[in-house]
Amino acid sequence: DQQVKQNSPSLSVQEGRISILNCDYTNSMFDYFLWYKKYPAEGPTFLISISSIKDKNEDGRFTVFLNKSAKHLSLHIVPSQPGDSAVYFCAASANYGQNFVFGPGTRLSVLP
Amino acid sequence: ETGVTQTPRHLVMGMTNKKSLKCEQHLGHNAMYWYKQSAKKPLELMFVYSLEERVENNSVPSRFSPECPNSSHLFLHLHTLQPEDSALYLCASSQFDGNTEAFFGQGTRLTVV
Repeated sequence: DQQVKQNSPSLSVQEGRISILNCDYTNSMFDYFLWYKKYPAEGPTFLISISSIKDKNEDGRFTVFLNKSAKHLSLHIVPSQPGDSAVYFCAASANYGQNFVFGPGTRLSVLP
Repeated sequence: ETGVTQTPRHLVMGMTNKKSLKCEQHLGHNAMYWYKQSAKKPLELMFVYSLEERVENNSVPSRFSPECPNSSHLFLHLHTLQPEDSALYLCASSQFDGNTEAFFGQGTRLTVV
């Protein structure tokens, strides 16, 4: 059973618009969450994180929202740029980074 | 079942020991990766292998030695490690040039004593 789910395998967004990538988890013990992105021919790289004591974290165009009661987090990219086209992974851990579980990823395509 | 299997799941080793971590994928991917996940730190990419050739080595100490004998297997040989090397070591695989997702193993929890 997948503990971290990204139910949209792909998403297409027009340049300049908002991209919203969703992630759901089942384990209520998860307290630290990360988003990674992967470009072709590169390994996944860290993007942004959030701990369970917060419900929002911003870094430039990227904002992650955490809804603990719904066991749901989302990544907002505003405004979306063609260079954001990549695969985005959600990851969750319990005990602040002791063990990570990764979602399967969502492929974002930002159209010019 | 993630498609990427790592063994062992847990490993405790002394600083003078030599051990190896193993990663195996049968997803038909042509690239494999080693990552280090320390507590409260972002994932750090260590090594990238594409078509069994190392294409990236992110300034990893020589006490970590990767080996990729074929496209399905990846090893991380460990020797004379330090306590600060204790971490979760994750393996991943993907199609190197394709815009497709990467799949991660569940990791090996390494403790150096």
